[in-house]
Amino acid sequence: DIQMTQSPSSLSASVGDRVTITCRASQGISNYLAWYQQKPGKVPKLLIYAASTLQSGVPSRFSGSGSGTDFTLTISSLQPEDVATYYCQKYNSAPQGLTFGGGTKVEIK
Amino acid sequence: EVQLVESGGGLVQPGGSLRLSCAASGFTFSSYWMSWVRQAPGKGLEWVANIKQDGSEKYYVDSVKGRFTISRDNAKNSLYLQMNSLRAEDTAVYYCASLGSGQWLVYWGQGTLVTVSS
Repeated sequence: DIQMTQSPSSLSASVGDRVTITCRASQGISNYLAWYQQKPGKVPKLLIYAASTLQSGVPSRFSGSGSGTDFTLTISSLQPEDVATYYCQKYNSAPQGLTFGGGTKVEIK
Repeated sequence: EVQLVESGGGLVQPGGSLRLSCAASGFTFSSYWMSWVRQAPGKGLEWVANIKQDGSEKYYVDSVKGRFTISRDNAKNSLYLQMNSLRAEDTAVYYCASLGSGQWLVYWGQGTLVTVSS
């Protein structure tokens, strides 16, 4: 099974900082990667799919990149409302199971 | 507006059973793959099961195979998860979610808490 490893597990940054979260797959997964945001006490929300496609309504300060085994989620200018845990999720070209990364908790310094 | 509303959670003893339901509205339910995802208290997200639009394909995480069954009733716009032989480690909030044209989770319900404890 393909494992998804996120780093760091947590980070603290200042408002306005550029924040980068990494997700690494144990094998190549092309661009079959999504990112989710889960604010404290809330339901997860889809941010990005196909590694770099922004879901409708998601602020443009969020972006995704990568292909193969290494992926990044970038917040270009961290805002207070971005405090959340972020998860990557790999999927497959054909419907099968899904695998989430362990999550990255983002806090304001 | 898309809505997914889970129900059926609660406290159950180890070895017991529960059936979760998810009522869908605001979209053409029968056109989408659906999933169950769970989150143990203070932990990350874990995919549980997927089901195809017509119910002909189902996939499960290894830890629930043989114990959980995902099903759907397109006439009732409803998704189900029958959970048998429950264990303490099944304690979690269970979310139903719809899959996009790829295998990403677009819409999520609010979740229902399942607690397995004696």
